Amino acid sequence: QVQLQQSGAELAKPGSSVKISCKASGYTFTSYYISWIKQTTGQGLEYIGYINTGSGGTNYNEKFKGKATLTVDKSSSTAFMQLSSLTPDDSAVYYCARRSYYYDGYYHDWFAYWGQGTLVTVSS
Amino acid sequence: EIVLTQSPTTMAASPGEKVTITCRASSSVSYMYWYQQMSDASPKLWIYDTSKLASGVPDRFSGSGSGTSYSLTINTMEAEDAATYYCQQCCSTPLTFGSGTKLEIK
Repeated sequence: QVQLQQSGAELAKPGSSVKISCKASGYTFTSYYISWIKQTTGQGLEYIGYINTGSGGTNYNEKFKGKATLTVDKSSSTAFMQLSSLTPDDSAVYYCARRSYYYDGYYHDWFAYWGQGTLVTVSS
Repeated sequence: EIVLTQSPTTMAASPGEKVTITCRASSSVSYMYWYQQMSDASPKLWIYDTSKLASGVPDRFSGSGSGTSYSLTINTMEAEDAATYYCQQCCSTPLTFGSGTKLEIK
């Protein structure tokens, strides 16, 4: 079965960086893009961007450019997201999700499987 | 970006009651997607391509809509349906989500 296993909770200081991992299993890793989503109580669910797990190509929500950097290690079927220059506003639960996408004259784009989430707390 | 407005924000329903959650988009989209999130759990895909039930979703759930107006309906509410439901639009970058509807059991 498809599983996305994320790394554990992080406590970070303002101005520092964290790197979260998302290890995929149960399917061919390079057949699907991995997306990342931020969840906070105040802002709800926010789409960060995706990484092409085959080529390493990325696409970011403008809001998260410069904040998030997505990478992938095909050899271990693992996707990573680094968050830099952390502020308290970056405190959130971050999810990786397997993106399902196709175009048949209409766009179809959704998240069929989600990781368990990684809590990032930014505090001095 | 496309803004999705869900209503109601919170609601409570009795077992057996019919429930409808709506999601209105600021611009027309071709499909809508719905997720269910239980407390302290990840969102789960619930409905895709507007009206198709994800694997394992009970058939008391249905989805409908087009253009800027979409809905998720529970034909007869059950206790296990108490959760927060989010809509997500597919079609304009960045992908966006509604702010959620918290559904409680009376």
